[in-house]
Amino acid sequence: GNSVTQMEGPVTLSEEAFLTINCTYTATGYPSLFWYVQYPGEGLQLLLKATKADDKGSNKGFEATYRKETTSFHLEKGSVQVSDSAVYFCALTRNTGFQKLVFGTGTRLLVSP
Amino acid sequence: SAVISQKPSRDICQRGTSLTIQCQVDSQVTMMFWYRQQPGQSLTLIATANQGSEATYESGFVIDKFPISRPNLTFSTLTVSNMSPEDSSIYLCSVASAGFNEQFFGPGTRLTVL
Repeated sequence: GNSVTQMEGPVTLSEEAFLTINCTYTATGYPSLFWYVQYPGEGLQLLLKATKADDKGSNKGFEATYRKETTSFHLEKGSVQVSDSAVYFCALTRNTGFQKLVFGTGTRLLVSP
Repeated sequence: SAVISQKPSRDICQRGTSLTIQCQVDSQVTMMFWYRQQPGQSLTLIATANQGSEATYESGFVIDKFPISRPNLTFSTLTVSNMSPEDSSIYLCSVASAGFNEQFFGPGTRLTVL
């Protein structure tokens, strides 16, 4: 079946540090890949997505590239801010038919000043 | 993207009671979903709310425990029945439109069962 594996958190960084949150997936066919972010006390927001191999999703300084050869979709940001502190979820869905989202376990990011 | 609201935003309930959560979208959408996020955990799909017909439940979730209604294309309810402390979670609705594989989430309902 389809599954998503994320690096465990929390990830603790100082402001302006480089961020990488690893995400790998197992899926049949060619899924679409997503990163969602959940700020404290809030619901999920779509951060970025990629729908085919070698696509790069980007938003708010975050980037992730769909790597079919390594079945990965790692999230990166060059310089994190305190306001980036949140839980980040990697997810996938099939590109056809029923759009069930399969989520990873989430990675908590803590950025200190 | 659609604007999604949920009511209530949070509630504290006694075991054995039921709570109905509402999800309202500001535009017509094809698909509506209900997810559960247990404390410190990821999201798990409960069911797909189908307009005008019975919801489609995922493995481990049953209609008697989580009855769902979807009377039109902009509104759905999820009821958590005969609650126990294990039902304490955040319940989120999400929506998607045909031809688009993005889902947009409501703010969630934080439920605590004592």
